[in-house]
Order: sequence, then structure tokens, then C-alpha cells
Amino acid sequence: AQTVTQSQPEMSVQEAETVTLSCTYDTSESDYYLFWYKQPPSRQMILVIRQEAYKQQNATENRFSVNFQKAAKSFSLKISDSQLGDAAMYFCAYRSVGRGGSEKLVFGKGTKLTVNP
Amino acid sequence: GAVVSQHPSRVICKSGTSVKIECRSLDFQATTMFWYRQFPKKSLMLMATSNEGSKATYEQGVEKDKFLINHASLTLSTLTVTSAHPEDSSFYICSARDHQPPQKLFFGSGTQLSVL
Repeated sequence: AQTVTQSQPEMSVQEAETVTLSCTYDTSESDYYLFWYKQPPSRQMILVIRQEAYKQQNATENRFSVNFQKAAKSFSLKISDSQLGDAAMYFCAYRSVGRGGSEKLVFGKGTKLTVNP
Repeated sequence: GAVVSQHPSRVICKSGTSVKIECRSLDFQATTMFWYRQFPKKSLMLMATSNEGSKATYEQGVEKDKFLINHASLTLSTLTVTSAHPEDSSFYICSARDHQPPQKLFFGSGTQLSVL
């Protein structure tokens, strides 16, 4: 079974600075998807970024980018120019590639990010 | 963008009663929906995968007679917590997968269940 590990329960960053959240995973599959989700105090799950394992290029969404190291099974999230609104729980997630659509997300335990003004 | 509506957002009930939570995809069809449970400051734990027109697939350790899931249409799945007890108090989140490629996944806003 796949597992996702987030080794940083909490992180903090100064506003406008850069922070990197770590995520490692374990799988025997060669093709899969990786995600970072944000859960603010409202508890609504928000997709931050998605990476297909077959793509070597790291995904980027505005101030959010990932460092995907497939051989090392590492998938870190970098947040540049941190804003107060970035404060939230961040979850790393893994999903197998399948055709049926019933493939589930496996979540890490999360990292609580605090942004200091 | 696509929206998943989850109701109610908050429910308080007496021990022994049953509570139904609805998860509805508003502008897409979802052949697959997922139900998660989240304890305070913890991660999301998958409870079951709900497929339209068939029985739900429950994760190990989840009582299917306790947590009844119905996915009778392509836009609606329901989770019923039967004979609720205080230990069932939790935050429940649904997600729905658009059946059209690229089969994006969308989350509901969650339901906070408190059993007295």
C-alpha cells in the first residue's frame, strides 16, 4: 500500500519570505499523481498544485512550485512571497493512475503553516 | 468552477439517533464519490468509496452497518450515521470525481457532527 509522510507537523514563515514543505511517499507504481492541498480554518480543501509522475518538469502555479524527485520519492512544496492568506494546514496526497476513476487519495498527516506578519 | 455541495454544514444530535449527510455535485456528474472523516488537527481518513449504482467499498475498520452510504444518482451520495454515539462526533468531508476526463476531484465543505 502507498504511504505519504510529512515530517514537519508545523512550520512558520515571515510574510514575503519563502518556505518549503516536505513530503515523501512510498510506492511500487511507476505512474501516479501527487497533490498538495490546502485546508484553511474554514476546513474547505483547496487544491494547490498537481504533478503527474511521468512528467519530469516540476509543476508551478503562481507562487507555488514543487520539487519532484521521483527516484527519491520526494515531493516538496515551495511557497514564494508568503502571504497571510497562505496560513493553513497543507496536505500532501498520492493517487494511483487508473481508468475506473475510483482510485482514492492517500493523504499525509499534514503540516500546519503559520505566516508571521 | 465545479462545485460540490455538502449539507448540513453542522449538526448536533442526541445519542442513538441517525444523521444523514448529503453530498451533491452541482454542475458535473460524479460516478465516484469519497467519504472522509477528519479528527481535530488530524489528516483525512478515507471511510469509503461510493460508486453510482453499486455498493460502496469500505476501508478496513469502517463499519458498513454504522455508516450507510447510498449513491443512487450521478450527482448525489449520502452518508447516514446510524445510532450515533459521542465517539462518532467528527468532521466528515465528501469529495466527488468528475466522470469526464481529466476526472478532477472536488471537495465538499464538510459537516461537523456533534453527538451529545
